Amino acid sequence: DQQVKQNSPSLSVQEGRISILNCDYTNSMFDYFLWYKKYPAEGPTFLISISSIKDKNEDGRFTVFLNKSAKHLSLHIVPSQPGDSAVYFCAASADSGGSNYKLTFGKGTLLTVNP
Amino acid sequence: DAGITQSPRHKVTETGTPVTLRCHQTENHRYMYWYRQDPGHGLRLIHYSYGVKDTDKGEVSDGYSVSRSKTEDFLLTLESATSSQTSVYFCAISPTGTEAFFGQGTRLTVV
Repeated sequence: DQQVKQNSPSLSVQEGRISILNCDYTNSMFDYFLWYKKYPAEGPTFLISISSIKDKNEDGRFTVFLNKSAKHLSLHIVPSQPGDSAVYFCAASADSGGSNYKLTFGKGTLLTVNP
Repeated sequence: DAGITQSPRHKVTETGTPVTLRCHQTENHRYMYWYRQDPGHGLRLIHYSYGVKDTDKGEVSDGYSVSRSKTEDFLLTLESATSSQTSVYFCAISPTGTEAFFGQGTRLTVV
């Protein structure tokens, strides 16, 4: 049972426009959410995160929105740049018992920003 | 870069042989994770550790075992490698179990 879902395998956007990547989750125990970016042949790198007590977090061109009632989060990239082309993973963290946390990832969305 | 090193970076092994992948950190983080990345599956958690000698299973733990005898080292062992374990393996570390930092990955091919 997939607890973190990224239903769009790919997204193509023009340079300068907004990129919106979506993520849905099913586990109501998740209390921290993260986005990672991954280039080919490299490890994922942390991009931005949000706690379940917030509904928005912004860092430069990147903004993450959280809608807890809908169990949905999204990553907005404005303006999009060709260097943003990568696979983006949504991840969520929950206490698996005894305050031991583990990160669960979605399948990823390949973002292509066209010049 | 977070102080995390995976070794080896590439390995080809034969079906049925044991394989051990090593993850070494210099950050003294509490949490260490092993993930595998496969096309169409994203990153799937194999095992994780929340302290020395404290480990737990992830969603795809069958065929894998782990050990953490020191804070800095987390070993992933494939007792008898199978072709289905051909994958890219990533180690990650985290101080709190939320934000995690990944290694460069180990590409394992089982022939």
